Amino acid sequence: DAGVTQSPTHLIKTRGQQVTLRCSPKSGHDTVSWYQQALGQGPQFIFQYYEEEERQRGNFPDRFSGHQFPNYSSELNVNALLLGDSALYLCASSSLGDYNEQFFGPGTRLTVL
Amino acid sequence: AQSVTQPDIHITVSEGASLELRCNYSYGATPYLFWYVQSPGQGLQLLLKYFSGDTLVQGIKGFEAEFKRSQSSFNLRKPSVHWSDAAEYFCAVATLSGGYNKLIFGAGTRLAVHP
Repeated sequence: DAGVTQSPTHLIKTRGQQVTLRCSPKSGHDTVSWYQQALGQGPQFIFQYYEEEERQRGNFPDRFSGHQFPNYSSELNVNALLLGDSALYLCASSSLGDYNEQFFGPGTRLTVL
Repeated sequence: AQSVTQPDIHITVSEGASLELRCNYSYGATPYLFWYVQSPGQGLQLLLKYFSGDTLVQGIKGFEAEFKRSQSSFNLRKPSVHWSDAAEYFCAVATLSGGYNKLIFGAGTRLAVHP
């Protein structure tokens, strides 16, 4: 079992650009959540996808959008990048159900210059 | 609003010493609590979780945590720290909305271990 995988590992963009991050969930999982972890802070919830629909959303602007595919993999898109978007972006997968454990991927380190 | 507070930003202990990392939460309903560990450049690994029942829960790598409802705390402990325990530790509470859960994390505690 490969666990949760994310790509790319690192990414450097400039302000105003757009970026797409990818996540493949752990085998058997159908729910994907995305978190942003700024340097020196704890992860913050961005949104969660189940059955290809956004089910919950944190306090992030509309520049942050996502998608879930029929194979449960997911993408996180960020438009009009700001310097403050520089962070580690973590994907977590789980099975739908109350408080089922979320398994985290290694993250994508995004640097915005 | 739900929140998690980890009062200690940095903690340094000697190898072999005992460890306690503090976590306080604010949540209106029965809390579902977690401790995660993050090594440099890595994702999050679950150490242990509390859902219900026995308030002292055992986790991996020799860690344990005690849930104290009266103090809104879920402190992480280890009797004897190893150099490999140096990492960042995050406490989190799960919130449930319409069957979907999300995690709210504290700011983390960075643990350094002296030889």
